[in-house]
Amino acid sequence: DTAVSQTPKYLVTQMGNDKSIKCEQNLGHDTMYWYKQDSKKFLKIMFSYNNKELIINETVPNRFSPKSPDKAHLNLHINSLELGDSAVYFCASSPYGALGNTIYFGEGSWLTVV
Amino acid sequence: EDKVVQSPLSLVVHEGDTVTLNCSYEVTNFRSLLWYKQEKKAPTFLFMLTSSGIEKKSGRLSSILDKKELFSILNITATQTGDSAIYLCAAAGNTPLVFGKGTRLSVIA
Repeated sequence: DTAVSQTPKYLVTQMGNDKSIKCEQNLGHDTMYWYKQDSKKFLKIMFSYNNKELIINETVPNRFSPKSPDKAHLNLHINSLELGDSAVYFCASSPYGALGNTIYFGEGSWLTVV
Repeated sequence: EDKVVQSPLSLVVHEGDTVTLNCSYEVTNFRSLLWYKQEKKAPTFLFMLTSSGIEKKSGRLSSILDKKELFSILNITATQTGDSAIYLCAAAGNTPLVFGKGTRLSVIA
């Protein structure tokens, strides 16, 4: 059983489109995250939700909007996609009081904007 | 601003060599340091370190933390081609993990 699962794994889309990436975790964790990994493999946090509440919102264009319908799901919606949005997006989760706890990653969603 | 710096950025070694990967950090209210291995997909967890001077070991891999000097090292002995990967260091403080840029290790036969 996959602990943190993301869909789709691969996504190729044109500039200007709107797309969503879904994430689900079955670990019973309270906290979920979205990380972006650029072409140089640098991982940077975008958002963090704790029990459906947004707790971290880094400097990310407002074209990116996370949505957490329940604590097991955290979806990422991106409007008006740009070339620079091409990256791998990782969903992750951790237990409550996540600071300092192990974060578990999904397998990533490879987004290519053409 | 919190930051994590890893060195070297890339490394090529022969099978059987021993390697040491370095990670220094500056994180507000430091809580823990984590090492991940990333091959083709998601980073997979290796170690979490919270106390200075206590070595954590898993097979040929070991890691230690120095909270006074704000760094950690990851050692891999008797390297194998399967150790080829990007090794990510991350520190947790007031915010969730802040990652370094990784060390790309290539082990050649």
